[in-house]
Amino acid sequence: EIVLTQSPGTLSLSPGERATLSCRASQSVVSTYLAWYQQKPGQPPRLLIYSASTRATGIPGRFSGSGSGTDFSLSISGLEPEDFAVYYCQQYGNSLFTFGPGTKVEI
Amino acid sequence: QVQLVESGGDVVQPGQSLRLSCAASGFTFTSYGMDWVRQAPGKGLEWVAVIWSDGSTKYYADSVKGRFTISRDTSTNSLYLQMNSLRAEDTAIYYCARLTANWNFDYWGQGTLVTVSS
Repeated sequence: EIVLTQSPGTLSLSPGERATLSCRASQSVVSTYLAWYQQKPGQPPRLLIYSASTRATGIPGRFSGSGSGTDFSLSISGLEPEDFAVYYCQQYGNSLFTFGPGTKVEI
Repeated sequence: QVQLVESGGDVVQPGQSLRLSCAASGFTFTSYGMDWVRQAPGKGLEWVAVIWSDGSTKYYADSVKGRFTISRDTSTNSLYLQMNSLRAEDTAIYYCARLTANWNFDYWGQGTLVTVSS
């Protein structure tokens, strides 16, 4: 099973700043199968990025994903008040899905 | 528009069973794999099970293998999760989610809460 580790656990930033979130895998991940989600309190997760770098439908351009192999990142340029949330990476491999533990982006 | 609506969550005692349902609408149900993902209170996301679009293949997380069964009914566009031998650690919000061709989840329901407690 591929284990995903996210860092930092919590990121304290101000509106307008840039956020960079890391997702590291215990084994190489097929980039096509790496996704990022945003979750706000009391809501289900929302797909942000798939295939490591493709924004999902309706996702603003300030969200971008990159990486390959075992190291992936999600960047949010110019944080908006609605971006303060928890972010999860997720991968698929060997018929199993795994999520990272999440990074909380807080004010 | 795509809608996924879960139901069936309840408070049950350890060892008991429960069946969750997810009603799907707004898309061609038979064209998509479907999954259950859960989230314990205050914790992260944990994938539970997947069923392929034609129902031919199912996979489970090790934590539920042998106790949970995922199924689907194309006549009612419904997804199910039969949960047996429930444990306290199964307490969570259970989400159903639509699986994309890139093996991620593009639509999620609002979730249904399962509490296992004596």
